[in-house]
Amino acid sequence: QLQLVESGGGLVKPGGSLRLSCAASGFTFSDSFISWIRQAPGKALEWVAHIDGSGNIKYYGDSVRGRFTVSRDNAKNSVYLQMNSLRADDTAVYYCARGRSYGSIWGQGTMVTVSS
Amino acid sequence: EVVLTQSPGTLSLSPGDTATLSCRASQSVSSSYLAWYQQKPGQAPRLLIYNRSNRATGISDRFSGSGSGTDFTLTISRLEPEDFAVYYCQQYSNSQWTFGQGTKVEIK
Repeated sequence: QLQLVESGGGLVKPGGSLRLSCAASGFTFSDSFISWIRQAPGKALEWVAHIDGSGNIKYYGDSVRGRFTVSRDNAKNSVYLQMNSLRADDTAVYYCARGRSYGSIWGQGTMVTVSS
Repeated sequence: EVVLTQSPGTLSLSPGDTATLSCRASQSVSSSYLAWYQQKPGQAPRLLIYNRSNRATGISDRFSGSGSGTDFTLTISRLEPEDFAVYYCQQYSNSQWTFGQGTKVEIK
């Protein structure tokens, strides 16, 4: 069964850090681009970052570049999103999805709340 | 950055109707890189259409995608109760994704 499962969300204070994980199963993980997409409450989807299968190619959205870092461990079939200098407007459900040009499989999401 | 504008914001229709959703790009988008998703409350988005007109695995043939350049359309024929949801278009260019703001298809 093709599956992505996110974890690591929670409540964090402004300026704090959090690391999200995305665990994959059911497909050849090391061949797959993985993307992170977020959705603020009641808002549209926003692409955050993605990483290629080798972990050598990474791209970021303008709103997170320099604060967020995407990485992966193919031995663990996992992708990570390290989020630093968090702001209130980073509050959202964070999804991971498989694919370079579109998301063919999505996880169920993990909620990140940035609040004092 | 390519900006995608979806219209209308809300579409009020009855089961059995045909829904026509529009997605307009601020600059030309390769047809290979235009996708559509369906999202229901509390759920993750689900891929419907990729590469402008290809249905994803398991997607009903009532869903069809068309268009080119800057204008793309998602058509949903014979609306079923489970089709009432929010729909997003998404494009890929310059190694980035952008999404439209969504169209809500609601029961009239």
